[in-house]
Amino acid sequence: DAGVIQSPRHEVTEMGQEVTLRCKPISGHNSLFWYRQTMMRGLELLIYFNNNVPIDDSGMPEDRFSAKMPNASFSTLKIQPSEPRDSAVYFCASSLATGGSNQPQHFGDGTRLSIL
Amino acid sequence: EDKVVQSPLSLVVHEGDTVTLNCSYEVTNFRSLLWYKQEKKAPTFLFMLTSSGIEKKSGRLSSILDKKELFSILNITATQTGDSAVYLCAAYYGGSQGNLIFGKGTKLSVKP
Repeated sequence: DAGVIQSPRHEVTEMGQEVTLRCKPISGHNSLFWYRQTMMRGLELLIYFNNNVPIDDSGMPEDRFSAKMPNASFSTLKIQPSEPRDSAVYFCASSLATGGSNQPQHFGDGTRLSIL
Repeated sequence: EDKVVQSPLSLVVHEGDTVTLNCSYEVTNFRSLLWYKQEKKAPTFLFMLTSSGIEKKSGRLSSILDKKELFSILNITATQTGDSAVYLCAAYYGGSQGNLIFGKGTKLSVKP
């Protein structure tokens, strides 16, 4: 079975440029999560969608970050304009939300983003 | 403030040793606790614990939750070099699938 698929695997760009990260969740999963991982802060949730609708974006650092989920099989995280402090590994995860019970989140391999 | 704290931050052992990794949590309306293993890429799911005192086991790995003392442990017996990784603990809290808070992880290095 295909897991969560992220692209690109690595992105190096200059500050000020627009960056778009992509994610395809596991087929059948109805919840999608974007995380950022840094040495200092560990894994932090940026935004989460349920049934393609953004539920909680309180972790999005600022207006430069935006995320969309136009359909059940695709999501994007965009940074515009990018800054060096945005350098991190960005993970996408998905899970199947069933009623009131929590389910494990399954992660993609991440996008390593470097802003010069 | 909701938090998950793991200890130790790093650990170096030799093949064959047994290790215990610790995770304590302070979250509002705790639901369940998860363990992940992260090598070079994606965190991969190991266990989800919801009930106190019930051990979950997978091969040489096992984990248990104590909801009274608010902690969990992950045990690895007869360690192998392939166990070298960062082990992450996370707690679900509240009613939302998005309410999953991670600890900073324990970096385990297993020497031959």
